[in-house]
Amino acid sequence: DAGITQSPRHKVTETGTPVTLRCHQTENHRYMYWYRQDPGHGLRLIHYSYGVKDTDKGEVSDGYSVSRSKTEDFLLTLESATSSQTSVYFCATEWGQNTEAFFGQGTRLTVV
Amino acid sequence: GENVEQHPSTLSVQEGDSAVIKCTYSDSASNYFPWYKQELGKRPQLIIDIRSNVGEKKDQRIAVTLNKTAKHFSLHITETQPEDSAVYFCAASNRDDKIIFGKGTRLHILP
Repeated sequence: DAGITQSPRHKVTETGTPVTLRCHQTENHRYMYWYRQDPGHGLRLIHYSYGVKDTDKGEVSDGYSVSRSKTEDFLLTLESATSSQTSVYFCATEWGQNTEAFFGQGTRLTVV
Repeated sequence: GENVEQHPSTLSVQEGDSAVIKCTYSDSASNYFPWYKQELGKRPQLIIDIRSNVGEKKDQRIAVTLNKTAKHFSLHITETQPEDSAVYFCAASNRDDKIIFGKGTRLHILP
């Protein structure tokens, strides 16, 4: 597997608290993505990045923000967690445009 | 923006038979169409992809076809085996490099 690590792997948090998920890659891939996976919805794009400090919104960006200050790290922040954000979150990376995307192991987030 | 529809949501086929999963996309600028397989509890992994300048691509028992005019593409798995049981996702990407996925197809291979 490509060197993509997500942390934490599991998290339970309370409604209204901020949460940050981290994606770390050792592949020097330029493009990075955050998806959420929910039953019946497949993989939905939250935010993506095409380089350091270059990010853009995906399909379901409300309530989420991202930062990419280094090539290897892409952070996803839930500003004030809600129960609707309970999901499995996947990070993915690509070395170039329209090439194979490599996924991290996923983070299971539960908001209670 | 891009929208990708995938059908069916669930598919059961007898071992040894063929399976076909179909996807349509909305953005005519999309030019890259990957397919991912996700086994239970695992991360999605690329199994095959096709670009808009190609109509068909094959890799052993897996093939993908693309009809740009109709904006649809399909995954064909022949001689299905138990290890083909998984969720399959189609996706489309354009020059903005947003990879948009379909909702997935859960494939069951029956003994």
